[in-house]
Amino acid sequence: AQSVTQPDIHITVSEGASLELRCNYSYGATPYLFWYVQSPGQGLQLLLKYFSGDTLVQGIKGFEAEFKRSQSSFNLRKPSVHWSDAAEYFCAVAPMNSGNTPLVFGKGTRLSVIA
Amino acid sequence: DTGVSQDPRHKITKRGQNVTFRCDPISEHNRLYWYRQTLGQGPEFLTYFQNEAQLEKSRLLSDRFSAERPKGSFSTLEIQRTEQGDSAMYLCASSPQAGTVGGTQYFGPGTRLLVL
Repeated sequence: AQSVTQPDIHITVSEGASLELRCNYSYGATPYLFWYVQSPGQGLQLLLKYFSGDTLVQGIKGFEAEFKRSQSSFNLRKPSVHWSDAAEYFCAVAPMNSGNTPLVFGKGTRLSVIA
Repeated sequence: DTGVSQDPRHKITKRGQNVTFRCDPISEHNRLYWYRQTLGQGPEFLTYFQNEAQLEKSRLLSDRFSAERPKGSFSTLEIQRTEQGDSAMYLCASSPQAGTVGGTQYFGPGTRLLVL
């Protein structure tokens, strides 16, 4: 069965510092990969997705993620964090060639930003 | 494009009561999904539809839960005889036509249920 691991439950970074959120997946083949962000009490907003091609994916709000097949990872990065980035971040996977099927989510990483 | 909408946004009910939630997907999106999210967890899949057909149900969806999408547009999720363990955020998502390469799910704001 597919699974997603986000090893960091909570991360605190200073405003302006760089950020990396980790995501590892377990699946027999390369799945479709997603990062979503959730502000308190809100639904999920798609940050970026990887289906194929270039392993470095650019998303909204200055985020990027890199797919590393050898490590089964899809880590999210941002070079300079803003206070408004404080939120919960979820990594998710879907079987390859089936982006329309149910997603499997990790448990999320809560990001706090301090001045 | 008005996005996915859900109603109500919040619901407080007493144990044993029935509740119904509504989801309106993005226009022309064929697939509609329901997820449940409890505190400190990621969303977990409950069920999904392609048009009016319910294609899959998770084992999380007990007999007390039922979902419909009668005309292939909006969907309802009903929970009968609610229990305190049903307290959660219920999220709805929609995605374009099945078979579309790289179909992405777009989420609504969710309905937060509290069972007292």
